[in-house]
Amino acid sequence: DAEITQSPRHKITETGRQVTLACHQTWNHNNMFWYRQDLGHGLRLIHYSYGVQDTNKGEVSDGYSVSRSNTEDLPLTLESAASSQTSVYFCASSTGQMAYEQYFGPGTRLTVT
Amino acid sequence: DAKTTQPPSMDCAEGRAANLPCNHSTISGNEYVYWYRQIHSQGPQYIIHGLKNNETNEMASLIITEDRKSSTLILPHATLRDTAVYYCIVRARGTSYGKLTFGQGTILTVHP
Repeated sequence: DAEITQSPRHKITETGRQVTLACHQTWNHNNMFWYRQDLGHGLRLIHYSYGVQDTNKGEVSDGYSVSRSNTEDLPLTLESAASSQTSVYFCASSTGQMAYEQYFGPGTRLTVT
Repeated sequence: DAKTTQPPSMDCAEGRAANLPCNHSTISGNEYVYWYRQIHSQGPQYIIHGLKNNETNEMASLIITEDRKSSTLILPHATLRDTAVYYCIVRARGTSYGKLTFGQGTILTVHP
């Protein structure tokens, strides 16, 4: 069955380190999204991509970057981790024409100490 | 985007229908109503969407009023596994942007 996976599921890192969170989907969806979820803020969009070589900033993109070299993967990189980036991160994907019918991954819980 | 209003919490007995309301009085003609849910510690899950006709799938039914100012998500036979936060989201389909904005949602608790 097609699916979307995230790794690692849990990560503890230190302030200032570079961290990469992986997202892999096997639906062959064009659209991929990264959200973070924090208490009191709900889900907020970090970056998104409509296809290979396409990336766009969301509402909370500072300190994060993404690259899309193939259809299946959209890794999220924290260039220099900060304590404010402690959060749960969700990746999602959708087809081009049904952008709002998104399939979410299980999430990565990141703690920056 | 149209604003949505949902009750903060609801209870339901297992096996009974759960009816979750959503008000979206400022919805425009090209905006769809989407429902998602998030079970504790999991990613959000797409449930159903509709424009103006009632919709049904294997998970739920969506009833949209004729004036489209409100809708109801119906889980016909709620189980304990349906305990989750349910989100009603209004978006104009056909755009490729895809940004979802989750409000506070309704916490549905299904009791044995």
